[in-house]
Amino acid sequence: AQSVTQLGSHVSVSEGALVLLRCNYSSSVPPYLFWYVQYPNQGLQLLLKYTTGATLVKGINGFEAEFKKSETSFHLTKPSAHMSDAAEYFCAVITLGGKLIFGQGTELSVKP
Amino acid sequence: KAGVTQTPRYLIKTRGQQVTLSCSPISGHRSVSWYQQTPGQGLQFLFEYFSETQRNKGNFPGRFSGRQFSNSRSEMNVSTLELGDSALYLCASSLEAGRETQYFGPGTRLLVL
Repeated sequence: AQSVTQLGSHVSVSEGALVLLRCNYSSSVPPYLFWYVQYPNQGLQLLLKYTTGATLVKGINGFEAEFKKSETSFHLTKPSAHMSDAAEYFCAVITLGGKLIFGQGTELSVKP
Repeated sequence: KAGVTQTPRYLIKTRGQQVTLSCSPISGHRSVSWYQQTPGQGLQFLFEYFSETQRNKGNFPGRFSGRQFSNSRSEMNVSTLELGDSALYLCASSLEAGRETQYFGPGTRLLVL
């Protein structure tokens, strides 16, 4: 069985500060991992994904994530937060059958 | 290339009614998946269609059903609506079935009164 845990349902940072959103996964097969972002009243937008190869993955809007197999983690980071980054972020793992399993989400607030 | 489109965007229904939601995938994408998003349960997988066949089904009652047409467009139907069916229903498409990247539409917000 596969599962995803996001640590912290709410994270608040100041504008210009580092953003760190934590995600740990459980998977019986080599995982394919995703981060999605959801702005209010919108669907999910793909930020980045890890399938195979390089463990440091760069995504849109300056976000990146590092796959660490030994820690079963796939944390999302951004060096400098912007007000427009305020949204809800979801980490997900996909099953061999193609079903996305999501974490509970982390709401990111950015203070001016 | 146009993204995933979903219609309608908002719906208000009463208990006991039924509802049909529509999803048009990205051009060339053959797989369509549906998810339900609620504050309490988060994002949950409903089902996936590929080549007009249901490949996967989540843990939802039989009141939830779907289908896919030859042009890959998909519909989902919920019969005998309950208050707990109020949710954001998200459709996602991918090129093929399996561990492909899924791209989401804007969702249909269903309110059951």
